[in-house]
Amino acid sequence: LAKTTQPISMDSYEGQEVNITCSHNNIATNDYITWYQQFPSQGPRFIIQGYKTKVTNEVASLFIPADRKSSTLSLPRVSLSDTAVYYCLVGARNNNDMRFGAGTRLTVKP
Amino acid sequence: SAVISQKPSRDICQRGTSLTIQCQVDSQVTMMFWYRQQPGQSLTLIATANQGSEATYESGFVIDKFPISRPNLTFSTLTVSNMSPEDSSIYLCSASQTTYEQYFGPGTRLTVT
Repeated sequence: LAKTTQPISMDSYEGQEVNITCSHNNIATNDYITWYQQFPSQGPRFIIQGYKTKVTNEVASLFIPADRKSSTLSLPRVSLSDTAVYYCLVGARNNNDMRFGAGTRLTVKP
Repeated sequence: SAVISQKPSRDICQRGTSLTIQCQVDSQVTMMFWYRQQPGQSLTLIATANQGSEATYESGFVIDKFPISRPNLTFSTLTVSNMSPEDSSIYLCSASQTTYEQYFGPGTRLTVT
């Protein structure tokens, strides 16, 4: 399994764009990159998944460079309600052992 | 997507007793998983609940302590047996059709006294 490294915490202000970078130097050819969001007292929520280049949905964008050794989750114009822990996971889609790292605790301030 | 419900949402139990947590999915799913999460910590995978066969446990978790059932494609149970205060945690169930797009339940907050 590719190990992931994320910043432990980040602070931002309402209305700003937030970029959270995840390092995964040992990513394998079959591995996908997936991000989850977890609010206090709730289970994690799937945000976005990608393999290469850029993926965008109604919540976020995911940027993956050509070497795929890192990825960046981009949250446009954050609000107070985006305060949560964000987890980056790397692995093959048919793999049954999804491992959560420490995650990044994002705090959005008014 | 899938909607996951768990029962109970929380419980306070005495050491030495057992608690069974139920997980119900609103649609048939290929995979179901059980996690444990200490407050303020990340999630740790306990096991994969396999329909019609024994669960697949992660290192450090054993069937005698955490027996799991999965009688069909929408339901699973996790039992925490012979509990001690160290078992106090949040237990989360998840379900998915593909491993990396999982849908999580709200969790069961267990306190062992």
